[in-house]
Amino acid sequence: QVQLVQSGSEVKKPGASVKVSCKASGYTFTGYEIHWLRQAPGQGLEWMGWINTYSGATNYAPRFQDRVSMTRDTSINTAYIDLNTLTSDDTAVYYCAREISSSTDAFHVWGQGTVVAVSS
Amino acid sequence: SSELTQDPAVSVALGQTVRITCQGDSLRSYSASWYQQMPGQAPRLVIYLKDYRPSGIPDRFSGSGSGNTASLTITGAQAEDEADYFCNSRDSSGNHVVFGGGTKLTVL
Repeated sequence: QVQLVQSGSEVKKPGASVKVSCKASGYTFTGYEIHWLRQAPGQGLEWMGWINTYSGATNYAPRFQDRVSMTRDTSINTAYIDLNTLTSDDTAVYYCAREISSSTDAFHVWGQGTVVAVSS
Repeated sequence: SSELTQDPAVSVALGQTVRITCQGDSLRSYSASWYQQMPGQAPRLVIYLKDYRPSGIPDRFSGSGSGNTASLTITGAQAEDEADYFCNSRDSSGNHVVFGGGTKLTVL
């Protein structure tokens, strides 16, 4: 079945960086973009950007443009998000997601979420 | 602040119909999707491209839209529909995805 499996929880200190992985299975990895989203405790969903898994092109939300990097490794069907200069405001559950079909912005397949806690 | 606006909370009596709305200028140009989220779980897509239902979503969920407003309607709400509901679409530039702030639905 179509599945996205994310890496485990992370605890980071302010100023550090975090890298979360998202391994896809059950479909052609390079056929769909991978989007990254996050949800702070008790808050709504926030879209962070996408990576075109075929070309490697990226599109980041403006507020993350300066400190996020999305990459992929097609040999192992895995996408990554790297967020640097962490603050307590980055404490959230981070999700990778895939659209139901290309260019719909409709996220049908979700990873299980990765908790990132930023604390001194 | 979000470019898509949702009412923070809505309630509905068991078995009745409820409409959850999402407003934003970009909805005049781009269609909305809707997600249901239970506590501690990842969101689930319930409506996309304004009024399409993914496989496995009950037909009591429907979507519509006009002008700057998209709507999610639950006809005959069930206890298990109590959840947070989020809309998403594009921002005013059309280059990025944005989400509404979410609506907490209570089934009485």
